Amino acid sequence: AQSVTQPDARVTVSEGASLQLRCKYSYSATPYLFWYVQYPRQGLQLLLKYYSGDPVVQGVNGFEAEFSKSNSSFHLRKASVHWSDSAVYFCAVSRTGGYKVVFGSGTRLLVSP
Amino acid sequence: NAGVIQTPRHKVTGKGQEATLWCEPISGHSAVFWYRQTIVQGLEFLTYFRNQAPIDDSGMPKERFSAQMPNQSHSTLKIQSTQPQDSAVYLCASSPGGAGNTLYFGEGSRLIVV
Repeated sequence: AQSVTQPDARVTVSEGASLQLRCKYSYSATPYLFWYVQYPRQGLQLLLKYYSGDPVVQGVNGFEAEFSKSNSSFHLRKASVHWSDSAVYFCAVSRTGGYKVVFGSGTRLLVSP
Repeated sequence: NAGVIQTPRHKVTGKGQEATLWCEPISGHSAVFWYRQTIVQGLEFLTYFRNQAPIDDSGMPKERFSAQMPNQSHSTLKIQSTQPQDSAVYLCASSPGGAGNTLYFGEGSRLIVV
């Protein structure tokens, strides 16, 4: 069964700094990979997703993620964070041909002024 | 497009009572998912439907929890004899269907069992 590990429960960065949120997945083949964001008192929203092609995938609001098959990773990056990026970020995986999406434990991002 | 609608947004129920949560998926979406979110366990998959048929309920507690999708416009999650450990935010999501499709989430129903 597929699984996702987000090793950092909380990350604090200063506004304008760069950001990397880590995600490792476990699955024998190449899965569908996702990053979702959850703002306070809201549901999750998709930032970006990857299945094949260029390992660097662009998302909304300047976010991008890089897939690494050798490292089984799908890290999220942003060059310059804004205070409004403060939220909880979830990495997720879905197996090829499957519908069930498994989420990581989430990383709470706090952007300080 | 109204998005996924979940009702009620908040529900407080006494221990041992029944709680029913409702989800209206986005029109035209063929897949509906239920997740439970808590601080301790994070986002737990409960169950999903495709074209109203239950496909995978591997995350549903075997006792007290049941989910139905009687028509394409709504799904319900019912918890019988609620317990304090059932307190959580229950999230519903819908998807156009197909592997790798984006999940569109509702804002969740916060259940508090006292």
